[in-house]
Amino acid sequence: EVQLLESGGGLVQPGGSLRLSCAASGFTFSSYAMSWVRQAPGKGLEWVSDISGSGGTTHFADSVKGRFTISRDNPRNTLYLQMNSLRAEDTAVYYCAKDRVFGESLDYWGQGTLVTVST
Amino acid sequence: QSVLTQPPSASGTPGQRVTISCSGSSSNIGSNTVNWYQQLPGTAPKLLIYSNNQRPSGVPDRFSGSKSGTSASLAISGLQSEDEADYYCAAWDGSLNGRVFGGGTKLTVL
Repeated sequence: EVQLLESGGGLVQPGGSLRLSCAASGFTFSSYAMSWVRQAPGKGLEWVSDISGSGGTTHFADSVKGRFTISRDNPRNTLYLQMNSLRAEDTAVYYCAKDRVFGESLDYWGQGTLVTVST
Repeated sequence: QSVLTQPPSASGTPGQRVTISCSGSSSNIGSNTVNWYQQLPGTAPKLLIYSNNQRPSGVPDRFSGSKSGTSASLAISGLQSEDEADYYCAAWDGSLNGRVFGGGTKLTVL
């Protein structure tokens, strides 16, 4: 059974940093691209970033480019999202998701971790 | 303002057939496959349709997807109360070099 468990969310001040983690199990982690998608309170889904199975290819939404970094540790079956220079508009539930095919659909999602950027 | 355009709401009575539209452009729907996600209240999204019209294992055949040109649609037949949820379309956008989602459609079963 595929399981994705996010952690690392919390309250952070504007301008601060936070690193999210996503522990994966139930599939061959290194064989699949992974993504982060966020959802601001009461709003729709917004894709944030993705990374290929090897980690060699990454993409970012314009809204986070230059501030967020995505990485993965394949031996540890863990996906990361390093978030710097956080803004109030980054407040959201962050989901990690497994790509069915890189850049196509997201077939498994975690339950999400809440990031709140506020003073 | 989402890159893909969906109606904010839709509704139907039990047993009815409802459709939800998703409009894009040549850089996204026009040149890549469309996926649909269902998000029940308080839960994570779930993949409903991939590659325009394919259903993952476990998704009832009441759900179907189609695509034509730069638009796509999700149809739900035999509407049930448990179908009340938010529905999102998504596709890769070659110009933005990233995924784009629709703004979501809230489906109400009357």
